[in-house]
Amino acid sequence: KNQVEQSPQSLIILEGKNCTLQCNYTVSPFSNLRWYKQDTGRGPVSLTIMTFSENTKSNGRYTATLDADTKQSSLHITASQLSDSASYICVVSAGSGGGADGLTFGKGTHLIIQP
Amino acid sequence: GAGVSQSPRYKVTKRGQDVTLRCDPISSHATLYWYQQALGQGPEFLTYFNYEAQPDKSGLPSDRFSAERPEGSISTLTIQRTEQRDSAMYRCASSPLPGVDNEQFFGPGTRLTVL
Repeated sequence: KNQVEQSPQSLIILEGKNCTLQCNYTVSPFSNLRWYKQDTGRGPVSLTIMTFSENTKSNGRYTATLDADTKQSSLHITASQLSDSASYICVVSAGSGGGADGLTFGKGTHLIIQP
Repeated sequence: GAGVSQSPRYKVTKRGQDVTLRCDPISSHATLYWYQQALGQGPEFLTYFNYEAQPDKSGLPSDRFSAERPEGSISTLTIQRTEQRDSAMYRCASSPLPGVDNEQFFGPGTRLTVL
């Protein structure tokens, strides 16, 4: 069964600090991995997408890494800001390209930035 | 029902025609999402509902796109005056409780082709 597990479930850090969120997956065959940010009351917004051959991708203060061998990804947030408070969701697409089994969502990490 | 269902599974239409896609979420789920997925890409958020309320429709690409969930269960996504660039997989997902569990359960999708 395809699964995506994220850790920690929730995280509180002080403004200006860095943090790293983890995503482990067992999805086969792997197509791509995407990190989303979901603010309270809003839909998820895509931060990064990585395919099998990519091991790092940045979007401003967000840097995602992918280790396809160990099936792990991380999202690193640098110099956190209050606006980073949100849920961060890891989504893995299977190579089948279609059907309900083609997408697996993690449960997300709830990040709170305190001033 | 046991899972999220969508209909039709495939839709071919001519440019300029209107189409309506349907999503039947898991019956106990409060939240329903619509995504657009291009071939080989992860899903892009369109809009979502908490019961019948639609807190965020910022992902709808133009005013030709609209969605409804009048009774807080079944939802429809309507695309008016379709264009070729609207061709994509349209995915619906439901989630148990907003802000509590971010895991989303996807339907099989509707493959829309605009000729």
